[in-house]
Amino acid sequence: GENVEQHPSTLSVQEGDSAVIKCTYSDSASNYFPWYKQELGKRPQLIIDIRSNVGEKKDQRIAVTLNKTAKHFSLHITETQPEDSAVYFCAARQSAPAVANTGNQFYFGTGTSLTVIP
Amino acid sequence: EAEVAQSPRYKITEKSQAVAFWCDPISGHATLYWYRQILGQGPELLVQFQDESVVDDSQLPKDRFSAERLKGVDSTLKIQPAELGDSAMYLCASSLGSLSYNEQFFGPGTRLTVL
Repeated sequence: GENVEQHPSTLSVQEGDSAVIKCTYSDSASNYFPWYKQELGKRPQLIIDIRSNVGEKKDQRIAVTLNKTAKHFSLHITETQPEDSAVYFCAARQSAPAVANTGNQFYFGTGTSLTVIP
Repeated sequence: EAEVAQSPRYKITEKSQAVAFWCDPISGHATLYWYRQILGQGPELLVQFQDESVVDDSQLPKDRFSAERLKGVDSTLKIQPAELGDSAMYLCASSLGSLSYNEQFFGPGTRLTVL
């Protein structure tokens, strides 16, 4: 199965600085890579995603880059704000399987606890 | 905005007791997932449904866990008997389908504490 590794496990930055979180995956069949933000006591929410046919995607202060050759993808947050403080999870998923009624699960990283210091 | 609903939000039980969690996915979502999230870790899939069929339960401890989605809508996850190591957050999620890029929406979770 797929193995997703995420680093660092904790990250502290000053408000206004940038934050970078990196993930690696093992299965070249994975083709979809979402990032989730989970605030304390709340549900994970999708913040950005990227498909394998794209190398970079940006949404305001958040960007994700993907290197298929090296099997790694990264989340970049610029101009960080205190409300960016949360746990961030990366994930990887393969295409819907060719065989009916078999799964294609999301494999999650272990999370990065980001603290933005005012 | 439609959301995935779960109940209860919190459950405290003693070991060897039975517990059940309920999930109501977003209307029209064919794919439903149950995850277990241990504090400090990412969600780990327990079971994935496509409509009423189980398509992946390879990580479900079947000696004590069971899941059903009888009419292809809401779903129940049961643990019997509960063990101390089952203490965790149980998250339900749903997506429109099983295409890799179908967005997955999470419910608020049920936090289980086994004493």
